[in-house]
Amino acid sequence: DVQLVESGGGLVQPGGSLRLSCAASGFNFSGYEVNWVRQAPGKGLEWVSYISASGRFISYADSVRGRFTISRDNAKGSLYLQINSLRAEDTAVYYCARENFYKMDVWGKGTTVTVAS
Amino acid sequence: QSALTQPPSASGSPGQSVSISCTGTSSDVGGYKYVSWYQQHPGKAPKVMIYEVTKRPSGVPDRFSGSKSGNTASLTVSGLQAEDEAEYYCSSYAGSTSYVFGTGTKVTVL
Repeated sequence: DVQLVESGGGLVQPGGSLRLSCAASGFNFSGYEVNWVRQAPGKGLEWVSYISASGRFISYADSVRGRFTISRDNAKGSLYLQINSLRAEDTAVYYCARENFYKMDVWGKGTTVTVAS
Repeated sequence: QSALTQPPSASGSPGQSVSISCTGTSSDVGGYKYVSWYQQHPGKAPKVMIYEVTKRPSGVPDRFSGSKSGNTASLTVSGLQAEDEAEYYCSSYAGSTSYVFGTGTKVTVL
């Protein structure tokens, strides 16, 4: 089965850091671009970050640029999101999503990040 | 990177049709053919229902259709069924490998 599985979420204090992971299986991970999308409690979807198949091209939403770092390890079939200087407004479910010709066609179930003291 | 504007809610009886609008700008919806629609049931991950404005992935019923005019895209669900009750989000490519999502529309089957 084609699958993405996120991990690494948890409760963290404001100003803290987390590293989220997304493990891919069932498809050639190195051939696809991938995105992180988040959803705050009771709110809508927000695009967070993009990384090209090779990892050469990267982009971020204005709301996270400078604090979040996306990366990937194609040999391990894994995507990462390093989140620093966490704020209460970063509290959300974080999804990784495979991009396939400008559509996000495979999504993980998400990992929850809660920022609170 | 402002969110695309969708109506908060839409509803219809079983068998009826419902349409949802998604308004952006010339920098996103109006500037690209890469508008997608996602369905999300409570507690679940989103699922792509429409891509490239009008295309349906395999397995998505042909009751779902999409269109675009200028800076506004639309999703129409015909022949509403109970399982169509969900939150729907539009999304558009916004250039420079970035995306923007809509504010979301809760579809209720009466």
